[in-house]
Amino acid sequence: SQELEQSPQSLIVQEGKNLTINCTSSKTLYGLYWYKQKYGEGLIFLMMLQKGGEEKSHEKITAKLDEKKQQSSLHITASQPSHAGIYLCGADNQAGTALIFGKGTTLSVSS
Amino acid sequence: DAMVIQNPRYQVTQFGKPVTLSCSQTLNHNVMYWYQQKSSQAPKLLFHYYDKDFNNEADTPDNFQSRRPNTSFCFLDIRSPGLGDAAMYLCATSRVVGGEQYFGPGTRLTVT
Repeated sequence: SQELEQSPQSLIVQEGKNLTINCTSSKTLYGLYWYKQKYGEGLIFLMMLQKGGEEKSHEKITAKLDEKKQQSSLHITASQPSHAGIYLCGADNQAGTALIFGKGTTLSVSS
Repeated sequence: DAMVIQNPRYQVTQFGKPVTLSCSQTLNHNVMYWYQQKSSQAPKLLFHYYDKDFNNEADTPDNFQSRRPNTSFCFLDIRSPGLGDAAMYLCATSRVVGGEQYFGPGTRLTVT
């Protein structure tokens, strides 16, 4: 079965600093999703990537899917306290019926 | 503006006492999902409905059941909760199977 591994597991950055979160899949990714979760809340959709080499941006968050479609990175530029939360990558399961998720990366931003 | 609503947000039940969690959506999406998320772990799919077609994941325990009486509502029934069933339960919807999903805020279940 497919597994998603995220690194780092947790991250503390100073406000204004850049950071990168990685998501590595054990199998080829056909659809890769990034979600953000605040503690004790539901997941908020950030971005979806499907094509190898694809890159998408939303405000100060950029996500990329590598050419081989087995790894994705999420980059935040000039982090703010509002960026704090848990970032999860998700991928379409083999049947294409639902998502499997990584364990998440907990981001804290200190002011 | 709420699109996926889960009630209650917090539920406490006793060991072995049946409990039902509720999810409703205003998006008119065809697909509704239930995920279980334990502390510091990834959400894990339990089952999903495509319209009235129920799809159970192979490793979902028999203790977990679901009902979808209409497009808008979906329920998660836990017949005999054990201590290991304490978790956050997330409901999600999508227009088609797979693809972008919209999540509710979750129900945190405590089993005493």
